[in-house]
Amino acid sequence: GAGVSQSPRYKVAKRGQDVALRCDPISGHVSLFWYQQALGQGPEFLTYFQNEAQLDKSGLPSDRFFAERPEGSVSTLKIQRTQQEDSAVYLCASSPRQGENYGYTFGSGTRLTVV
Amino acid sequence: TQLLEQSPQFLSIQEGENLTVYCNSSSVFSSLQWYRQEPGEGPVLLVTVVTGGEVKKLKRLTFQFGDARKDSSLHITAAQPGDTGLYLCAGAANNFNKFYFGSGTKLNVKP
Repeated sequence: GAGVSQSPRYKVAKRGQDVALRCDPISGHVSLFWYQQALGQGPEFLTYFQNEAQLDKSGLPSDRFFAERPEGSVSTLKIQRTQQEDSAVYLCASSPRQGENYGYTFGSGTRLTVV
Repeated sequence: TQLLEQSPQFLSIQEGENLTVYCNSSSVFSSLQWYRQEPGEGPVLLVTVVTGGEVKKLKRLTFQFGDARKDSSLHITAAQPGDTGLYLCAGAANNFNKFYFGSGTKLNVKP
């Protein structure tokens, strides 16, 4: 497709449940990013991929969070044993390559609610 | 703690008014971007500024990057209801592998 596609759009999980969030970046985009946006806040960096390599995962809040991009295109963010504080919108963005002139194209996000 | 502070947090104005929103930091950024986000959607890139002192115009929107590359402003002339949204600034880390976002300015333009 023309844009970044994320699924599901909404996810309600019971506390302790595992979830998987999917991101389909723009075809050919080398860089892929995951951000977490809490209500009323700006997005916060989680992790960055260049092709299939995860070059920065410094923003992942705990070892319950795991991201992968095995073939350098689609990426999955997995959260194990979800907690209420994980409730947020998870945004995926892609960029043609790393560099100052390449802005992100964001998807619409997955809104995760942990009950 | 946010690296980038945006002000004001909320702004409600009448159609036709002018406004300025600010993005400030004690850190120097390689580049700074402005995004607009509507409810239920991801942020949409408006502009990237790279050089200290740079001014960019996008129709009724004027963006300025501070000389020291620590701050930026967005000025909207003759605001319209379609300008309503959350305006976010984002500063690039040196290697551009991440952006640090501010908390945003929520703008409401009343008809």
